[in-house]
Amino acid sequence: DSGVTQTPKHLITATGQRVTLRCSPRSGDLSVYWYQQSLDQGLQFLIQYYNGEERAKGNILERFSAQQFPDLHSELNLSSLELGDSALYFCASSAGGEASEQYFGPGTRLTVT
Amino acid sequence: GQNIDQPTEMTATEGAIVQINCTYQTSGFNGLFWYQQHAGEAPTFLSYNVLDGLEEKGRFSSFLSRSKGYSYLLLKELQMKDSASYLCAVMDSNYQLIWGAGTKLIIKP
Repeated sequence: DSGVTQTPKHLITATGQRVTLRCSPRSGDLSVYWYQQSLDQGLQFLIQYYNGEERAKGNILERFSAQQFPDLHSELNLSSLELGDSALYFCASSAGGEASEQYFGPGTRLTVT
Repeated sequence: GQNIDQPTEMTATEGAIVQINCTYQTSGFNGLFWYQQHAGEAPTFLSYNVLDGLEEKGRFSSFLSRSKGYSYLLLKELQMKDSASYLCAVMDSNYQLIWGAGTKLIIKP
C-alpha cells in the first residue's frame, strides 16, 4: 500500500459526459501528479501540482483540468469524453523536494462507451 | 528533444538473470528511476541512481553511467512474479520525470 488513495476504482460513462477523479496523496507529500495509461501503452504525464499551485504540464488535453485543494487532495476533471479517453488514470505523490520518488495510487479505470 | 529508449519486450527463464537496458537523452540530469508495473496495477518504485556505479538491493541491482547516458536494471534468480513491465524514468534539469515506454518482461518456467 503506497499511502496514495484514488476514487473511484472504476468508472463507466458515455461519450460527451464529464467525470471527476479524486486523489489523496501520502501524508506529508506536497506534490501530486496525474498520469494517463491507455491499454498496453506507457505512462503519459498530464499535470503536476505542488502545494496547491500548478508546477508542470504535460500532454494534457484542453478538455481536461485539475486542481489541488488546501488539504492537498487533488481532482482531475475530464469533460466532453471520447472513446479514446478510456484508460487507467493514476495519481502519484512525492515529498516535493528535488529528486524524490513518486508513489502511485491504485488508479481509476475509466471506460467511455 | 528528450528521449528514453528501452527494449519493448524481453523473455527470460525462471532462476536465470536478465539485464534490462535504458538509454536516455534529456535536458539535464537529476537522477534515474526504475519502477516495476504489473499489468493493470500501479507502478512501484524499485531504485534511484544519481551517481555512476552499481546500486544493489536484494535480487535487483541498478547501474548508471552518466557519461554514456545509460542505465541497466539487473534481476537475478528470476521468479515468475517478476513478470511485469519495467519502467525507466529520468529526472531532467527542471526536476521533471521523463518516462520510457517500459520493457515487458516475460518469465518462462
